[in-house]
Amino acid sequence: EVVMTQSPATLSVSPGERATLSCRVSQSVSNGFAWYQQKPGQAPRLLIYGASTRASGIPDRFSGSGSGTEFTLTISSLQSEDSAVYYCQQEGTFGPGTRLEI
Amino acid sequence: VQLQESGPGLVKPSQTLSLTCNVSGGSIGSGSYYWSWIRQPAGKGLEWMGRISTSGSTDYNPSLKSRVSMSIDKSTDQFSLRLNSVTAADTAVYYCARAVLWRWSYWGQGILVTVSS
Repeated sequence: EVVMTQSPATLSVSPGERATLSCRVSQSVSNGFAWYQQKPGQAPRLLIYGASTRASGIPDRFSGSGSGTEFTLTISSLQSEDSAVYYCQQEGTFGPGTRLEI
Repeated sequence: VQLQESGPGLVKPSQTLSLTCNVSGGSIGSGSYYWSWIRQPAGKGLEWMGRISTSGSTDYNPSLKSRVSMSIDKSTDQFSLRLNSVTAADTAVYYCARAVLWRWSYWGQGILVTVSS
């Protein structure tokens, strides 16, 4: 069973700053790793797939990196609309999420 | 592509939850896609329930495998979810979504299903 851990659970950052969100996977990832953003009352939105490829329409303020079992989502020049819960995903398993407050 | 969930918002314990996802803006039978159901209890995280391919092959979350089934109807551009023997723990917002392999680019708006007598 794949276990995914996200840190921190909650992150509070000021507008214009940078946020770094982490995800650890219990088994080495070969493919299928992604990041999603979910705002209250909305469905999740795909941000990053293949660990580092931005999905269509996602601004370049969002970037993903990492390999193996350690992955990072970096959001630069934070804006108020970036407040959301961010989930990492490896195939059929989601992480518990990081709540980002701007 | 747009997806829209439909079905009862209230299901009694021990009964079967049945939902349908209507796909518009493209044929469900075209392309190499996986059609999934993902659920989210209030205030909690996302749980992938399973997926069905365009060809009809299925893949279920092991934690739900004994209770879940999915089907696809290319003639109506719909796919469906059935979850048997529901309990209060199955109360959640249920999303349908379309994936290329394991990345879900298109989601429905979600439907709240409450399990209660």
